[in-house]
Amino acid sequence: GESVGLHLPTLSVQEGDNSIINCAYSNSASDYFIWYKQESGKGPQFIIDIRSNMDKRQGQRVTVLLNKTVKHLSLQIAATQPGDSAVYFCAENSGSARQLTFGSGTQLTVLP
Amino acid sequence: EAGVAQSPRYKIIEKRQSVAFWCNPISGHATLYWYQQILGQGPKLLIQFQNNGVVDDSQLPKDRFSAERLKGVDSTLKIQPAKLEDSAVYLCASSFGKGHEKLFFGSGTQLSVL
Repeated sequence: GESVGLHLPTLSVQEGDNSIINCAYSNSASDYFIWYKQESGKGPQFIIDIRSNMDKRQGQRVTVLLNKTVKHLSLQIAATQPGDSAVYFCAENSGSARQLTFGSGTQLTVLP
Repeated sequence: EAGVAQSPRYKIIEKRQSVAFWCNPISGHATLYWYQQILGQGPKLLIQFQNNGVVDDSQLPKDRFSAERLKGVDSTLKIQPAKLEDSAVYLCASSFGKGHEKLFFGSGTQLSVL
């Protein structure tokens, strides 16, 4: 099976609230992680990445947290907007092949 | 900066027919990837090119899938013959480096095999 998974397949939040999307990974050798956003009919769009020597990284309205102890990754979106509605994928880069392995995604729906 | 270009946008074929997809990566990106994304799943790597050479094709069903990147720029992915289970979105991505980091994706080709 896939080594990267998500806790919840769907997430609904009110516009203006903060969103937290979680991701678990199983390969302790993973040293690079990426979050992608995929809107309907489009390809995945890079949001933010983090290396395993970091615990936190911030971007514009987004923050990624990495907890290597429990092999958990999260994406926080501040002041969620309707345009944030999409499927969010986490992906890890590990192994000798250095392939990017994607999880199955979380559908984020922003309610008015 | 132009993004990754893919065509066609949609394709409908019958099983056992052949189909080809085209991809033009971001200018200057040496690494090109083809991914398959089945509905409701994350993308799965099919093949990776570094310039015009294949770096990884371990997950490419070579009995029916083929890909080439002859001049180290654009690439084609072919399926022959297609099966029902090949129905998916085929995504092309490119990156400046070769370490599967910060990939930029095209919009994909949605293939329906009937």
